[in-house]
Amino acid sequence: SYELTQPPSVSVSPGQTASITCSGDKLGDKYACWYQQKSGQSPVLVIYQDTKRPSGIPERFSASNSGNTATLTIIGTQAMDEADYYCQAWDTSTAGVFGTGTKVTVL
Amino acid sequence: QVQLEQSGAEVKKPGASVKVSCKTSGYTFTKYNIHWVRQAPGQGLEWMGTINPNGGSTNYAQKFQGRVTMTRDTSTSTVYMDLSSLRSEDTAVYYCARIRGVIITEYYFDYWGQGTLVTVSS
Repeated sequence: SYELTQPPSVSVSPGQTASITCSGDKLGDKYACWYQQKSGQSPVLVIYQDTKRPSGIPERFSASNSGNTATLTIIGTQAMDEADYYCQAWDTSTAGVFGTGTKVTVL
Repeated sequence: QVQLEQSGAEVKKPGASVKVSCKTSGYTFTKYNIHWVRQAPGQGLEWMGTINPNGGSTNYAQKFQGRVTMTRDTSTSTVYMDLSSLRSEDTAVYYCARIRGVIITEYYFDYWGQGTLVTVSS
């Protein structure tokens, strides 16, 4: 089955840049999306189709996807960005696959 | 505005079944598939399957084949997820989510329900 691997945690100082990676076999051949989940809340879409931001998502969120790795970048991280982040892709055999999740801590 | 309103928390005994509902509003029910995703306490997100409200066709994750049934009621714009033979490992928050995208590789979830906690305990 298809698997997506993320680092368990990322720490960042306020105002700095946070980068979260998502690794999977030939992930760059698929579309990746990213979800933010704050404690006790439902996930929220922050990036879809590799690089697109939904309406209402701040410009400080950006992403890329190439080779075996997708990356979510938060430029100028704010305290409100502290959350768990999940990448996701669709595999035609396995269907929906989520990454293992990354906890972003803003110190 | 688009809303997905889920049913309330459930406590079930091992071996029992649970049925979680997801009532949608604010859009044409039959135009968008609904998926179910669960999250065990302190764990990540796990995709369970999907239903096409226009016709009722389903696609389940292999892990849940034989135990999960997804149905819909077009008269009330509601989708249901039934999980049988419950065990303690099924204790989780269950989410419904609406999918966008033309083909599967383009899919993304744009709206989520608030989640339903299902606790399996003797």
